[in-house]
Amino acid sequence: QKEVEQDPGPLSVPEGAIVSLNCTYSNSAFQYFMWYRQYSRKGPELLMYTYSSGNKEDGRFTAQVDKSSKYISLFIRDSQPSDSATYLCAMSWEETSGSRLTFGEGTQLTVNP
Amino acid sequence: ETGVTQTPRHLVMGMTNKKSLKCEQHLGHNAMYWYKQSAKKPLELMFVYNFKEQTENNSVPSRFSPECPNSSHLFLHLHTLQPEDSALYLCASSHRDGYEQYFGPGTRLTVT
Repeated sequence: QKEVEQDPGPLSVPEGAIVSLNCTYSNSAFQYFMWYRQYSRKGPELLMYTYSSGNKEDGRFTAQVDKSSKYISLFIRDSQPSDSATYLCAMSWEETSGSRLTFGEGTQLTVNP
Repeated sequence: ETGVTQTPRHLVMGMTNKKSLKCEQHLGHNAMYWYKQSAKKPLELMFVYNFKEQTENNSVPSRFSPECPNSSHLFLHLHTLQPEDSALYLCASSHRDGYEQYFGPGTRLTVT
């Protein structure tokens, strides 16, 4: 069983749609949860970071963590063509231990104008 | 130059060649990482360096040899690779006590 499961997609939505991206995980020790965005021919960049359970909002993006269900989500409101990218979830059990990030395989998103 | 840079961006090599990938970070970080990214697979951590000292080697075959001469530069020396080693190789850096990793654009490696 993979430690982190993420539906690879591809996911295609019209401009303006609400997008929901999800990951499940098996290791209950994970406490720090991240979403990275990776544009084609670029490296991943950190988009959102959440500690433990709860919600975090940043503009059109909302990250949710439900530790009881071992489930994390990233919501994108009013999606734009510029949001077309691969979204990677990542998680760790130690805040300062970047070396132990465990990644999902990524979901490829296309937002059509 | 800003951020994390990687050269070359593309590399095609035969199984008997020897080549090196270079990574440079301009962010003042003290931890650097090599990752392998293959299609339909999660990012695989290969090596970690903290303050130029290797702190993790995730069972990477010896045909991959990392080198970190200082906190700003990281190399990955390649020799006698296999076709299954074809992938995107990503370099990243971070503060040792921080969670955020900054990635370079990667080197697309094809082994023929």
